[in-house]
Amino acid sequence: NAGVTQTPKFQVLKTGQSMTLQCAQDMNHEYMSWYRQDPGMGLRLIHYSVGAGITDQGEVPNGYNVSRSTTEDFPLRLLSAAPSQTSVYFCASSYATPSGANVLTFGAGSRLTVL
Amino acid sequence: GQQVMQIPQYQHVQEGEDFTTYCNSSTTLSNIQWYKQRPGGHPVFLIQLVKSGEVKKQKRLTFQFGEAKKNSSLHITATQTTDVGTYFCAGPPAAGNKLTFGGGTRVLVKP
Repeated sequence: NAGVTQTPKFQVLKTGQSMTLQCAQDMNHEYMSWYRQDPGMGLRLIHYSVGAGITDQGEVPNGYNVSRSTTEDFPLRLLSAAPSQTSVYFCASSYATPSGANVLTFGAGSRLTVL
Repeated sequence: GQQVMQIPQYQHVQEGEDFTTYCNSSTTLSNIQWYKQRPGGHPVFLIQLVKSGEVKKQKRLTFQFGEAKKNSSLHITATQTTDVGTYFCAGPPAAGNKLTFGGGTRVLVKP
């Protein structure tokens, strides 16, 4: 049981390049989400999904795309990388409960630098 | 949109002392969750409070959920070096799935 697996752990991009951060979970969680963490800014929600085929925007969705074709995978695509997207990205998943509990299990993070 | 604020942003504590960190939401929450992130690590779930006025303890950590379900606190007694890290509160609004995090309280312990 690996939990939430993120790849790559580190990535350096040039401005304008595109890339995909991968996220996979083996806990059969319906809910998956992406956060970015910047110094002094806490964790900000980029996109989330409540199940396969369903995605929605969080606080800071601009410049990012997501899809959820399977329960297990929730990739985050950077369309045209910008220096402002330099950050640590965390994928997280949870069961969806009637109380909306959404207690999250986080991946180890992906550190992205855009030059 | 929903905002979650935490104070203080930084907490320097002498080993053995107590301290409290506070979390305030602009909207009523269905529940409040607390996470801890060690330096260089990822956030790890600590506890969830659901009921108005609820208090839960984990060893030296005491968590409280406000009566109006808009604020929460974390109190740590007899701080140890193992308490170093950033503590985040997070909560979904009463209606909705988005889990919004506060900015965190970074705890530094002086031996």
